[in-house]
Amino acid sequence: AQTVTQSQPEMSVQEAETVTLSCTYDTSESDYYLFWYKQPPSRQMILVIRQEAYKQQNATENRFSVNFQKAAKSFSLKISDSQLGDAAMYFCAYDQGGSEKLVFGKGTKLTVNP
Amino acid sequence: EAQVTQNPRYLITVTGKKLTVTCSQNMNHEYMSWYRQDPGLGLRQIYYSMNVEVTDKGDVPEGYKVSRKEKRNFPLILESPSPNQTSLYFCASSLKVSYNEQFFGPGTRLTVL
Repeated sequence: AQTVTQSQPEMSVQEAETVTLSCTYDTSESDYYLFWYKQPPSRQMILVIRQEAYKQQNATENRFSVNFQKAAKSFSLKISDSQLGDAAMYFCAYDQGGSEKLVFGKGTKLTVNP
Repeated sequence: EAQVTQNPRYLITVTGKKLTVTCSQNMNHEYMSWYRQDPGLGLRQIYYSMNVEVTDKGDVPEGYKVSRKEKRNFPLILESPSPNQTSLYFCASSLKVSYNEQFFGPGTRLTVL
């Protein structure tokens, strides 16, 4: 079964600085999708960014970008110019193409210090 | 407004008292799913539905039931809740399985005494 590992239960960053959250996954498949979801204190799950495994180019969404290393099965999230509103739990998720579920990591709690 | 709604948002109940958590989406999505979130465990899938009348078990289905009689609704039923079902529950939907963004409801905080 596919597994997703987030090795950093908690991280902190100073406002305006850059932080990278780690995610690794285990799969024998070549076609899949990866996601980062954000869960602020409101508990709402919000999609931050997604990556198709067949694309070599790393996805970017404004201040959020990923470093996708397919051979290493690594999918880290970089947040640039961190803002107070970025404080949240961040979940990495794996979606096997054609499967019926997202497999989530256990999450990383990000604190942004003013 | 496109959204997934869940009710109730908070519920405290006692062991053995049947309850239903409703989930409804207004986006005409085919795929719907239920997750539970527990500290240190992330989100785990309980049940999912590929379309009307098509449901299947996820990773942690024990103690739960679901039904999908209409495309928009996907209720989660706990027929005899137990304290180990105390958790935060999320309903999610997406246009189809895979790749498409899953839209999550606001969550239901359930406490079983």
